[in-house]
Amino acid sequence: RKEVEQDPGPFNVPEGATVAFNCTYSNSASQSFFWYRQDCRKEPKLLMSVYSSGNEDGRFTAQLNKASQYVSLLIRDSQPSDSATYLCAVNTRGSYIPTFGRGTSLIVHP
Amino acid sequence: DAGVTQSPTHLIKTRGQQVTLRCSPKSGHDTVSWYQQALGQGPQFIFQYYEEEERQRGNFPDRFSGHQFPNYSSELNVNALLLGDSALYLCASSFPAGGYEQYFGPGTRLTVT
Repeated sequence: RKEVEQDPGPFNVPEGATVAFNCTYSNSASQSFFWYRQDCRKEPKLLMSVYSSGNEDGRFTAQLNKASQYVSLLIRDSQPSDSATYLCAVNTRGSYIPTFGRGTSLIVHP
Repeated sequence: DAGVTQSPTHLIKTRGQQVTLRCSPKSGHDTVSWYQQALGQGPQFIFQYYEEEERQRGNFPDRFSGHQFPNYSSELNVNALLLGDSALYLCASSFPAGGYEQYFGPGTRLTVT
């Protein structure tokens, strides 16, 4: 089993929809979680950090479920400008380096 | 406030050649990590430099080496290039003492022919 798993998608949704992605991790010692946004042929950009149960920033909400070992990203009122790949990254206790998933592709249609 | 910068942006090399990629971290950051990202995959960790030393290394062969300078900038060297080394090479910097949030540069797209 991979350390960090994401459904690659693509998720095709209409503008205004609410969409959620899950990211599962295998190491129970994981303690820090991150969501990055990556546009085509560009660098990943940090969207949100999750250190405890969750985090919210405008239309974006991240929630952590340690018992089931997954972290989710919810996007409300999705916009065509949200179309991108969303990468999940997980840090394990004692490591300085996050492990990245392969990303989930989102396409929001006008 | 300048973000992470990388050079060059694109590079085409032939199998067997050597390449050097460069990175300057975000202002105030002292830790630099290098990643390789193949198409459709997440970034794969190569190594991290802190205080001019390699602090952690991923599962990459010795053909991949690096260096960090006193001004915190860094180089990634790849020797004996293989076709499979074609990828986007990303540099990321992080907060003092190695915080976990990674801030990425625009990357260098390497093509090996």
